[in-house]
Amino acid sequence: EVQLVESGGGLVKPGRSLRLSCTTSGFTFGDYAVSWFRQAPGKGLEWVGFIRSKAYTGTTDYAASVKGRFTISRDDSKSIAYLQMDSLKIDDTAVYYCTRGTRTAVAGVKYYFDYWGQGTLVTVSS
Amino acid sequence: EIVMTQSPATLSVSPGERATLSCRASQSVSSNLAWYQQKPGQAPRLLIYGASTRATGIPARFSGSGSGTEFTLTISSLQSEDFAVYYCQQYHNWPPWTFGQGTKLEIK
Repeated sequence: EVQLVESGGGLVKPGRSLRLSCTTSGFTFGDYAVSWFRQAPGKGLEWVGFIRSKAYTGTTDYAASVKGRFTISRDDSKSIAYLQMDSLKIDDTAVYYCTRGTRTAVAGVKYYFDYWGQGTLVTVSS
Repeated sequence: EIVMTQSPATLSVSPGERATLSCRASQSVSSNLAWYQQKPGQAPRLLIYGASTRATGIPARFSGSGSGTEFTLTISSLQSEDFAVYYCQQYHNWPPWTFGQGTKLEIK
């Protein structure tokens, strides 16, 4: 069974840092991309960042709203992905979800997200 | 960035009836469109990808159609567990991956 479990959320003051973990099981983690999404209270879904598998460079992309402040990394030996969040703002308050990205290359390279973790709440408040 | 627009914002349907949800993209996304279901306090669950392919374990009463800029999610006979919020997402032009604002499907 494919599972993704986020951890590391909590209450943090503006300007501080937090690192989220996404621990996975039930699939070969190194073969897949990972993306992080978030959902502010009562709002819709927003993409945060993405990391390719090492077979496809392992590089990252970020939403404009978090670029330069958030960093995604992965440890394939542990089947864990991380979201390092620095210089946190009040607007970063949300439930953060990690997801498995499945690659398709039928007409150009595309990724869709077929499994999601249960989410972890990050609250940024003074 | 591709903007996704869902309609209606809220849909009231009786159990056993058919529900039809719409999603429009600001430019063509070909068939690179996914639908998710989200229940209160839960993570989104992938229902449909490739505009019309059901994800693993998704009942046959869920179907997706469309291509280009116009898409539809149809639930043929609503069960009590289907009342939730539904999101469409494009994965054609990325990054960013973008979502519609959601349609809340409620019991009539």
